Amino acid sequence: GAVVSQHPSWVICKSGTSVKIECRSLDFQATTMFWYRQFPKQSLMLMATSNEGSKATYEQGVEKDKFLINHASLTLSTLTVTSAHPEDSSFYICSAQDSYTDTQYFGPGTRLTVL
Amino acid sequence: GNSVTQMEGPVTLSEEAFLTINCTYTATGYPSLFWYVQYPGEGLQLLLKATKADDKGSNKGFEATYRKETTSFHLEKGSVQVSDSAVYFCALSPQGGSEKLVFGKGTKLTVNP
Repeated sequence: GAVVSQHPSWVICKSGTSVKIECRSLDFQATTMFWYRQFPKQSLMLMATSNEGSKATYEQGVEKDKFLINHASLTLSTLTVTSAHPEDSSFYICSAQDSYTDTQYFGPGTRLTVL
Repeated sequence: GNSVTQMEGPVTLSEEAFLTINCTYTATGYPSLFWYVQYPGEGLQLLLKATKADDKGSNKGFEATYRKETTSFHLEKGSVQVSDSAVYFCALSPQGGSEKLVFGKGTKLTVNP
């Protein structure tokens, strides 16, 4: 089946630094990718919708200057958490929507811990 | 607004027991409903879906029926296996497709031999 990878799977960084998370669709093309955030014992919350070759659409309350999204190709989207702070510590999950079937396939997630 | 409420876990069952995980939703319009499963160390996988009222989604022995009158989409399986141990998420798509999913909090299921 379709596979979505995320890299890194976990990262620890110091407060004030920036962290980039990659999301790749390995065997299909994805015009649209989604970025979610999940806090412990909470549901996945959609942060933004990433469209290849255009600007991302952010959900209400999500700072676009804080969470930079780039979707430069049909198989890769990146999320950069800029000037990270401890409150940004969370589990970040991406999904990629198969351009032909519209089915969303999810990555395994990235655990970010900001010290 | 749109929201999904599912029963809180964790749920622990013995092998071959009957499983029900309740899910209710609030939505405007005509949403599509989904169940996703997340096995340890893996990404969420679509388990089943239903796109309109009275539709029944089924896969791997799991079933869920889209009940508009009770705004519910309960997940059931007649006989669970150890390999069904995972976290199950109920979700809806307000626009009826598979975009912009709204998720419940997830229910962790552990099946003991």
